Amino acid sequence: AQSVTQLGSHVSVSEGALVLLRCNYSSSVPPYLFWYVQYPNQGLQLLLKYTTGATLVKGINGFEAEFKKSETSFHLTKPSAHMSDAAEYFCAVSDQDYKLSFGAGTTVTVRA
Amino acid sequence: GAVVSQHPSWVICKSGTSVKIECRSLDFQATTMFWYRQFPKQSLMLMATSNEGSKATYEQGVEKDKFLINHASLTLSTLTVTSAHPEDSSFYICSAVTQGTNQPQHFGDGTRLSIL
Repeated sequence: AQSVTQLGSHVSVSEGALVLLRCNYSSSVPPYLFWYVQYPNQGLQLLLKYTTGATLVKGINGFEAEFKKSETSFHLTKPSAHMSDAAEYFCAVSDQDYKLSFGAGTTVTVRA
Repeated sequence: GAVVSQHPSWVICKSGTSVKIECRSLDFQATTMFWYRQFPKQSLMLMATSNEGSKATYEQGVEKDKFLINHASLTLSTLTVTSAHPEDSSFYICSAVTQGTNQPQHFGDGTRLSIL
């Protein structure tokens, strides 16, 4: 069984500031980990994913995440927030059957 | 990149009617499609997994007779909400993947269903 915990349902940052979204997972098998972004009334867009190999994963829009097995974490960061980053972010874990288990989501607001 | 088209994007209908939502993979063959339900300010809850040519597998608590899923081809899956009632109002999202390719799920833009 797999599960994801996203710490903090809401994160507010100033434009240009660091964005840090926390995700911890539990999985009985080597996990596949994902971060998705959702804009209002839209589906999910993949930001980045970790399957195997390099633990620091770079994604779209300047986001990156680091897989830390010892901490069972997959935190998402972006060095400098942009107004367009305001959205809902979901961390997810998958097994080899491709079924995704999502975290509760984190709403990001960006202050001018 | 891979695109998944979901239709309609918004539907309003009267209680008791049935509503069909389509999910199409436009540039790849989707061996597996997933249907999710999302309530406001909440995460996505998996409803069912649909493999092409076979019966869908429903998650615990999801009524298979209420939410009919068909996956007759590698590019199309449909979700039919039968005899819809106001409590079925929600945001429904599909995703598609090709098994064995190590590719992530690609999501449709969702369908906002409102039952009056």
